[in-house]
Amino acid sequence: DAMVIQNPRYQVTQFGKPVTLSCSQTLNHNVMYWYQQKSSQAPKLLFHYYDKDFNNEADTPDNFQSRRPNTSFCFLDIRSPGLGDAAMYLCATLRGTSALDTQYFGPGTRLTVL
Amino acid sequence: DQQVKQNSPSLSVQEGRISILNCDYTNSMFDYFLWYKKYPAEGPTFLISISSIKDKNEDGRFTVFLNKSAKHLSLHIVPSQPGDSAVYFCAALKTSYDKVIFGPGTSLSVIP
Repeated sequence: DAMVIQNPRYQVTQFGKPVTLSCSQTLNHNVMYWYQQKSSQAPKLLFHYYDKDFNNEADTPDNFQSRRPNTSFCFLDIRSPGLGDAAMYLCATLRGTSALDTQYFGPGTRLTVL
Repeated sequence: DQQVKQNSPSLSVQEGRISILNCDYTNSMFDYFLWYKKYPAEGPTFLISISSIKDKNEDGRFTVFLNKSAKHLSLHIVPSQPGDSAVYFCAALKTSYDKVIFGPGTSLSVIP
């Protein structure tokens, strides 16, 4: 009974070839987040949605975009992946508006860029 | 600039003993602190939190201590069990509506 599902779990792409990572949730939570975690580093917030209200972190590269067509699904698009974009991408949800509520994370998608 | 630091990438502890995971932060505006635990191939899961008005919060075997003047917090696990082997992330936020800033994590191994 997975609550936050990420597909695929492993994604290999070529330098410059667009890639889309997907996240779905069965929790009906309002807020969804995308984090990037590079090896041995802290998860770094890229975007978050409160319902359909999109919030971009100031230092998120333009190469990264996101879509949330409905409550359940959220996508991360990397338009032209570079070698530096190889990382674990974590999706998370939050029930309410307070960041003190528990975030529920998916298992992540590990992106390799060749 | 790393606002939340976990200077020990890894820690090994014997089963039954105490595990102490440390976390330091640089931003004095942080008012809330969280610990998340992550098993391999799974996403992080929430473990315990503390607000800056407290200096201790306890939940079963897990206790978090906060020293605001030192900008330091620690997670104590007593007694440690092999199932506690995981990566532990410290996290902080300024207000309840702010984004969560994570540390890089400490990998704990509890040896049977």
